[in-house]
This record gives sequence, C-alpha cells and structure tokens, in this order.
Amino acid sequence: SQKIEQNSEALNIQEGKTATLTCNYTNYSPAYLQWYRQDPGRGPVFLLLIRENEKEKRKERLKVTFDTTLKQSLFHITASQPADSATYLCALDDSNYQLIWGAGTKLIIKP
Amino acid sequence: EAGVAQSPRYKIIEKRQSVAFWCNPISGHATLYWYQQILGQGPKLLIQFQNNGVVDDSQLPKDRFSAERLKGVDSTLKIQPAKLEDSAVYLCASTAGGALYEQYFGPGTRLTVT
Repeated sequence: SQKIEQNSEALNIQEGKTATLTCNYTNYSPAYLQWYRQDPGRGPVFLLLIRENEKEKRKERLKVTFDTTLKQSLFHITASQPADSATYLCALDDSNYQLIWGAGTKLIIKP
Repeated sequence: EAGVAQSPRYKIIEKRQSVAFWCNPISGHATLYWYQQILGQGPKLLIQFQNNGVVDDSQLPKDRFSAERLKGVDSTLKIQPAKLEDSAVYLCASTAGGALYEQYFGPGTRLTVT
C-alpha cells in the first residue's frame, strides 16, 4: 500500500544545533516533494519544493534533500532557534497530480 | 497581498445538524482546495476546483458533504447532516498554478461535533 511516514514522536533539539527531519514514502514515484510548516491553530505554510531531478535545495537556514532511490527526503534546519518550533509536514504528488501529506513531525527547539 | 480568508474560525454543532464554511482564496488564484485535517494527521484532500469546475472530489463523502465555487472565486463547503467523526479542522488552500505548485492556506475552521 502507499504511505508517507514522518517521525510521529516529537523531536527535541538544543538551540543552535541542526535539526533533521525525515520523510519516507513507499509505492509512490513523486515528481515533486514539498515541505510545510504548521503552527498550532494555523494553516500550513510553504517552505521548500524539490523536484525528482534535484538532489538538494537550500533556502537561508533550510536545506532539503531528495533521494528517489531510498524514497526519502531529509529536511534540515541549521542554527536552530526556539522560533523554529512547529510541526513540519512533507507532501508529495501522487499519480493523479494531487498532494498527499504526511502526518508531520513536531519539532521543539529548547533554549 | 491578502491571504486566504476563511470563516468561521470555530464552530460547535450537535450531530445531525448542518454547517457551512466559507473560503475566499488569494485574488487571481484559479485553483482552490478544501482539506480535512484530523488532530495528529496531515491534511486530506476533500475537493479541488479549477476556476468554478470540480477537478477532483473522489474523497468527498458526497452523501453528506457538498461544495461549490460559484463564479470561480470564493467557495463554500457544507456538511449535512454532521457526524461525530467530522470533528476536524477544515482548511482551504489556493494556488496560482496547477496542483504541484506551492499552496497557500487559510487559518482553517475548527469544527466540533457533539
């Protein structure tokens, strides 16, 4: 069956360290993968999009990698700050060009 | 640029009652989505509009849910009658491009069915 897996347990990181979140998928062949941030009581906010032919994408302190062989994307936040605390969602396109979403990983940055 | 607007922000109803949610997308965005997000889960697509036409409603429980996007701008999502399992956040999103472009979300409507 098709599924997207993100760490269900919260990730606790010390301020200033690099946070790494994982998104694994099975039985999909996405052309795109997107990462969003969601704060409590708010809708998701787009962060980065990476295409299947791109290995890595960067934006300020954010970096995303996409390994279509491993069927995995990694999302990194360098020099993490308490303001980075949120739930991070990955989403990929299915064969019908719709976004399928993971359940998200809650990231907690401790000062 | 104004973001995606949704109302109401919160709604509490009893089971078997009806409820309606409203969404106004970003100006000029042709594609509009309604998602259901249950606590602890990712958003689940209910329906996608391109202008005022339905592109995908395969996961919309059509026996109780309906949606429309008259004039290709704002949209309403209705539930009638509501069930306990409909308790969730209903998110509206829009995009200027096709389905694979970044989506802009509204704040959502938190529905509680008692």
